Amino acid sequence: SAVISQKPSRDICQRGTSLTIQCQVDSQVTMMFWYRQQPGQSLTLIATANQGSEATYESGFVIDKFPISRPNLTFSTLTVSNMSPEDSSIYLCSVEDPGMSSYNEQFFGPGTRLTVL
Amino acid sequence: EDQVTQSPEALRLQEGESSSLNCSYTVSGLRGLFWYRQDPGKGPEFLFTLYSAGEEKEKERLKATLTKKESFLHITAPKPEDSATYLCAVQVSYQKVTFGTGTKLQVIP
Repeated sequence: SAVISQKPSRDICQRGTSLTIQCQVDSQVTMMFWYRQQPGQSLTLIATANQGSEATYESGFVIDKFPISRPNLTFSTLTVSNMSPEDSSIYLCSVEDPGMSSYNEQFFGPGTRLTVL
Repeated sequence: EDQVTQSPEALRLQEGESSSLNCSYTVSGLRGLFWYRQDPGKGPEFLFTLYSAGEEKEKERLKATLTKKESFLHITAPKPEDSATYLCAVQVSYQKVTFGTGTKLQVIP
């Protein structure tokens, strides 16, 4: 299956600043996804990122707060802008790996643990 | 609204004590149901996909089953290394997956 890495693995940031999280895949994939996992809660989809088009955001998430780039088929970034303590979460990227199956299973990176003070 | 509910929230087992985790769902049309394992500080690890009622999948000590309203993850003779949070997720529309809140399993030696 695809190998997915994320940078940074964790960070502690000050209120009002921004952080860009990188997601790198070792093979070309069409669909990449960004999730948030708040403490003690499940995964919530932030947006879907296709190469060459604008990201599609889920209800409750906006581009000004979570801008996403998808410059090629192996890389994406998520920026958490103007951070507040409520943004403290684990941020995960995932991909659909057509090499594994013809179905729509998603495979996840290791996550970025963000703490906002 | 699509809903996924997992129970119990937490489960503590003795090593070798078999049990089952439940995932019940209310969706408009199921395309697939997924089970993941998540270790602390890590991303979810894919385990199984189930697509139709009556389907079963097995992997080592784990067996997943699916009915029209719920899925079970059976753990046979668990070991301490099976300790993790197990997540269930359902896919209703293309690429949209809804996750449950998970069952935190602890297996005691």
